[in-house]
Amino acid sequence: QQQVKQSPQSLIVQKGGISIINCAYENTAFDYFPWYQQFPGKGPALLIAIRPDVSEKKEGRFTISFNKSAKQFSLHIMDSQPGDSATYFCAASIGDYKLSFGAGTTVTVRA
Amino acid sequence: NAGVTQTPKFRILKIGQSMTLQCAQDMNHNYMYWYRQDPGMGLKLIYYSVGAGITDKGEVPNGYNVSRSTTEDFPLRLELAAPSQTSVYFCASSYSPFEREESYNEQFFGPGTRLTVL
Repeated sequence: QQQVKQSPQSLIVQKGGISIINCAYENTAFDYFPWYQQFPGKGPALLIAIRPDVSEKKEGRFTISFNKSAKQFSLHIMDSQPGDSATYFCAASIGDYKLSFGAGTTVTVRA
Repeated sequence: NAGVTQTPKFRILKIGQSMTLQCAQDMNHNYMYWYRQDPGMGLKLIYYSVGAGITDKGEVPNGYNVSRSTTEDFPLRLELAAPSQTSVYFCASSYSPFEREESYNEQFFGPGTRLTVL
């Protein structure tokens, strides 16, 4: 069973628009929530990460929102660009290393 | 630095054959991982290692074996390949969560091995 549930499976957004990907988890012991970005034919790469003691983390156009009480977190991609077209995975772990990944969201940014 | 390297890039196996997927890293990372990625399923942890000589099972270890004789290398062995093992395999490495001052322990992934079992 998937310990981290991710939605939607795919989304299409116009250039300049906002992409939002949501994840939910059950294990309240999780203390590390990274997002990985994967381009076709490549391995995933860390994009941004958050710990449950903060509610929001922003790095450039990418923002993680974290709701500890709801056991949910989301990735917002602002001003989406064609170069952001990729598959995004949320993940969670206890202690930073044994990651449980969501199923992934394929984002397509139309020019 | 080459980072995390994996060989081969592609491989087709017949049912019942065996093979070893190679993984090496040159970042002096103690922690190494093997994941498999299936469409619509995300990545699943197969095995991981916290240092030379120490390995442990992940979420989906059945049908696989690993060894870690050096810090740099972490091969994954498939015995008696089955069609269910058709997947893309990724090796990754990281520092120990406790040996760096950075807030987040990034895992660095290799380019993957696409394996088909027919």
